[in-house]
Amino acid sequence: SQQGEEDPQALSIQEGENATMNCSYKTSINNLQWYRQNSGRGLVHLILIRSNEREKHSGRLRVTLDTSKKSSSLLITASRAADTASYFCATWGLTGGGNKLTFGTGTQLKVEL
Amino acid sequence: EPEVTQTPSHQVTQMGQEVILRCVPISNHLYFYWYRQILGQKVEFLVSFYNNEISEKSEIFDDQFSVERPDGSNFTLKIRSTKLEDSAMYFCASRKRFATGDRINYGYTFGSGTRLTVV
Repeated sequence: SQQGEEDPQALSIQEGENATMNCSYKTSINNLQWYRQNSGRGLVHLILIRSNEREKHSGRLRVTLDTSKKSSSLLITASRAADTASYFCATWGLTGGGNKLTFGTGTQLKVEL
Repeated sequence: EPEVTQTPSHQVTQMGQEVILRCVPISNHLYFYWYRQILGQKVEFLVSFYNNEISEKSEIFDDQFSVERPDGSNFTLKIRSTKLEDSAMYFCASRKRFATGDRINYGYTFGSGTRLTVV
């Protein structure tokens, strides 16, 4: 698998439900970031979790990181229609990855009323 | 909140023509990046720029591509002779520098992108 692969590729839920997206990566990282992209628009930084952190919260977002499994999850609680977007994880490399952010394939989230 | 500004938002160009995509990063940021996203595909790294020089570039960033920071505020991406496969959304990004041992990591701030269509 490639660096930064999200699953599921697409997720459809009802408003008010929780949405969980997962990300797996291959190399060592300094931090992992989640971004949101509305259709045809730019990338918005949501949250960053460092390699020595296991969980982080920001509003309705909860991110976990398991470096032993090289995986992360993004939980959006009490989802709203406005949360409909694509969500990408991105890893910032410690070694080998260089000074760049490497994006995953993304999860398309659709929140229906 | 400070923003990264990209212009134009949409550019259509003939194959073989040169294009320059412009970006104004956040003023106190020191690292600058270009990424691209072909429609329906993942966001791909093109190049990073620091201290007035390229610090890393991907395989995509061949001799047809160049970057410049001509005046201390603008950051440009030039494609010398565009191909059909260069059609994509191009994103500029910047971030603060964090020193070794700094306990704060900063996310990137992305611009809203330039949609380049090569016909």
